[in-house]
Amino acid sequence: GIQVEQSPPDLILQEGANSTLRCNFSDSVNNLQWFHQNPWGQLINLFYIPSGTKQNGRLSATTVATERYSLLYISSSQTTDSGVYFCAGSNSNSGYALNFGKGTSLLVTP
Amino acid sequence: DAGVIQSPRHEVTEMGQEVTLRCKPISGHDYLFWYRQTMMRGLELLIYFNNNVPIDDSGMPEDRFSAKMPNASFSTLKIQPSEPRDSAVYFCASKVVNEQFFGPGTRLTVL
Repeated sequence: GIQVEQSPPDLILQEGANSTLRCNFSDSVNNLQWFHQNPWGQLINLFYIPSGTKQNGRLSATTVATERYSLLYISSSQTTDSGVYFCAGSNSNSGYALNFGKGTSLLVTP
Repeated sequence: DAGVIQSPRHEVTEMGQEVTLRCKPISGHDYLFWYRQTMMRGLELLIYFNNNVPIDDSGMPEDRFSAKMPNASFSTLKIQPSEPRDSAVYFCASKVVNEQFFGPGTRLTVL
């Protein structure tokens, strides 16, 4: 299957700081999603972004499909941003199931 | 709009017992996925269905696991007999077209 590498594995920020999370794929993907797993364990959809750039409030994401990576930007972080951020992808070879990275664990302190 | 619904949310059972997890996908979604999350292996696919038909069950660990989708609005994942190493959070997800949406998960503990 597709290997997904996320960096950094852990991140501690002070409230108000900005951060960039990265996701590299071992193969091209035509389906790419970013999720936030909150402290209660729920997986919240952030972006569906197989290519290009999207923004939603303080969050934005960019995928460069030809270079097999995606970036998630968090600006003016808040304590409620804490949790684990996952990227996941699939392609026609792997079927429709998502291959997940190990996640970036983010802690935002007051 | 109701999201993906899973039940129970928590299950504690003893080794050797049968466990049944349930999922109701989002109405109109034609794909349903079962994933498992553990500390050691992260999030991994168990099986997925398209129009109620199993398409890929290569992630099902062994014969103790089985999954069914008798209709478009209901799926079950059964473990019989359960073992302590089955302890994990089991997620159900559904999609139509591209984006997958996840249920809240079932936290299974096998003692």
